[in-house]
Amino acid sequence: KQEVTQIPAALSVPEGENLVLNCSFTDSAIYNLQWFRQDPGKGLTSLLLIQSSQREQTSGRLNASLDKSSGRSTLYIAASQPGDSATYLCAVTRGNTGKLIFGQGTTLQVKP
Amino acid sequence: NAGVMQNPRHLVRRRGQEARLRCSPMKGHSHVYWYRQLPEEGLKFMVYLQKENIIDESGMPKERFSAEFPKEGPSILRIQQVVRGDSAAYFCASSPLQGAPTGELFFGEGSRLTVL
Repeated sequence: KQEVTQIPAALSVPEGENLVLNCSFTDSAIYNLQWFRQDPGKGLTSLLLIQSSQREQTSGRLNASLDKSSGRSTLYIAASQPGDSATYLCAVTRGNTGKLIFGQGTTLQVKP
Repeated sequence: NAGVMQNPRHLVRRRGQEARLRCSPMKGHSHVYWYRQLPEEGLKFMVYLQKENIIDESGMPKERFSAEFPKEGPSILRIQQVVRGDSAAYFCASSPLQGAPTGELFFGEGSRLTVL
């Protein structure tokens, strides 16, 4: 049974810091891995999607890496801003079914 | 191109009543997924539907919960005889194909159910 774990559960950093969020999964047979952002009381916004054959994806100040063999992904946020404060969720799929298995999330607070 | 639309955004029900949550997928998307986020818990898959078909309902509670995606109109998640434990945020997601070539899903803003 696939399990997804995110560490840390919460993180508070001063503005401008570079930071890394971690995601691990127990079954390496994944189809893809997605990172989402969720603001309080809001829905999920897709940030980055990495196919199982890929090693990393980048979008602006965000970079996500994937090491399937070790069951790990990291989300790197460069030069953090207060607007980055949110909960970041990692999710994997086994096949091309849209059936996502989510981690519990990391709640990030960036202080001005 | 409007995103995934869910309504109502907030719903309050008393124990024993019925709750109906609606989801209109993005234009051109024919696959709908429902997820539930219980307080202090992660998002959990409930059901995957295509037009007029339930493809995977392995995450649906065995009783009181049902889902449909008719040929015309939105997908509906129906909860009968609600209990306090049903209080949660219910999210709908859609994709154009079976998960799309990349498997990417697009989520709505969610419907927040409170059972008194």
